[in-house]
Amino acid sequence: NAGVTQTPKFQVLKTGQSMTLQCAQDMNHEYMSWYRQDPGMGLRLIHYSVGEGTTAKGEVPDGYNVSRLKKQNFLLGLESAAPSQTSVYFCASSYSGQGGKLFFGSGTQLSVL
Amino acid sequence: DAKTTQPNSMESNEEEPVHLPCNHSTISGTDYIHWYRQLPSQGPEYVIHGLTSNVNNRMASLAIAEDRKSSTLILHRATLRDAAVYYCILREGAGGTSYGKLTFGQGTILTVHP
Repeated sequence: NAGVTQTPKFQVLKTGQSMTLQCAQDMNHEYMSWYRQDPGMGLRLIHYSVGEGTTAKGEVPDGYNVSRLKKQNFLLGLESAAPSQTSVYFCASSYSGQGGKLFFGSGTQLSVL
Repeated sequence: DAKTTQPNSMESNEEEPVHLPCNHSTISGTDYIHWYRQLPSQGPEYVIHGLTSNVNNRMASLAIAEDRKSSTLILHRATLRDAAVYYCILREGAGGTSYGKLTFGQGTILTVHP
């Protein structure tokens, strides 16, 4: 099993450009989420999804949009990138329920110039 | 959202046990306690989780207070590879209003000395 796969691993954008970060899981998990992690900081929840076709806002949703058209994929979009969005982005997935343990991807390093 | 409180940092010597505390005084009856760790330049990885009873697995043990307002992650013999940031989080059941909103906080930076 590949687990949780994030693409790309690295990306450099100019201010105002748009892009989509992709997350795919092959574990048939209902729950998926996106986090960002700034240097020396903890993880902050951007958006999450408890099932196909549903999404919800996390702690820091502004400037991001998400879509969950297929159960195995959770896309994070930046419509107009800003330098403040320079960060490492992690995708995570799990089975439903409070016992479901999170599986994380290896991260996407995004720099916005 | 239920919150957790952890010390910013802790230190240990190699081969010694490490007890990482976590306070979660607002925990509800159906919240599970999860622990994750993040090695340098990697994504977080699952360590252990529990509800009421103490739990053991190959990585660590989890001791949960009787009133469930605190828990302790125990690494029985720390190695240099255990140096990481350790996060304690609470996870609601699927019917909870904050079920999907898993917040991580700052975690505890564990330094292991040779």
